[in-house]
Amino acid sequence: GEDVEQSLFLSVREGDSSVINCTYTDSSSTYLYWYKQEPGAGLQLLTYIFSNMDMKQDQRLTVLLNKKDKHLSLRIADTQTGDSAIYFCAVDDKIIFGKGTRLHILP
Amino acid sequence: DTGVSQNPRHKITKRGQNVTFRCDPISEHNRLYWYRQTLGQGPEFLTYFQNEAQLEKSRLLSDRFSAERPKGSFSTLEIQRTEQGDSAMYLCASSLARGADTQYFGPGTRLTVL
Repeated sequence: GEDVEQSLFLSVREGDSSVINCTYTDSSSTYLYWYKQEPGAGLQLLTYIFSNMDMKQDQRLTVLLNKKDKHLSLRIADTQTGDSAIYFCAVDDKIIFGKGTRLHILP
Repeated sequence: DTGVSQNPRHKITKRGQNVTFRCDPISEHNRLYWYRQTLGQGPEFLTYFQNEAQLEKSRLLSDRFSAERPKGSFSTLEIQRTEQGDSAMYLCASSLARGADTQYFGPGTRLTVL
């Protein structure tokens, strides 16, 4: 079945860019998503990308998709303390989630 | 607030008891999903409904689990004879099932089985 892999932790200084990476196995994935989960809260959809796109930008967020390598990334520009959360990469409609990357912001 | 709501937010029960959770989706959404999330893991798909029809069930959904969406609006998830391994956050999401099928998640119900 589908497998989605992410690194578990990322530490970034406030003001720097954060890049969270994800790899997946199912090349037929149509939509790929990034969700954010803050402590004790549900998941918040940040952005998604259709599989025929290479890049999508939405304010501070940039999503890059490399279909050949089955690699998805989320770049957060000018990282703020409010960006501290767990970020989940997910693919397709029954949404297969990765284990999440915990983003820690250093002062 | 017109988001997805779930009740209760927390449930503590003793092993062997039955529990039922409720999810109220965004009103015009025709799809409703249930997921389970344990500590340090991403959410795992359990089942989903298109209107009142349950279209898919994960093999994670044992015979002790049953979900309903009788009128195509709210949904309930029941766990019978709870086990300690059922302790988790149960998440509900709803969507319009168009295009990107963007799912909107509720806050979850945290179940603790003692």
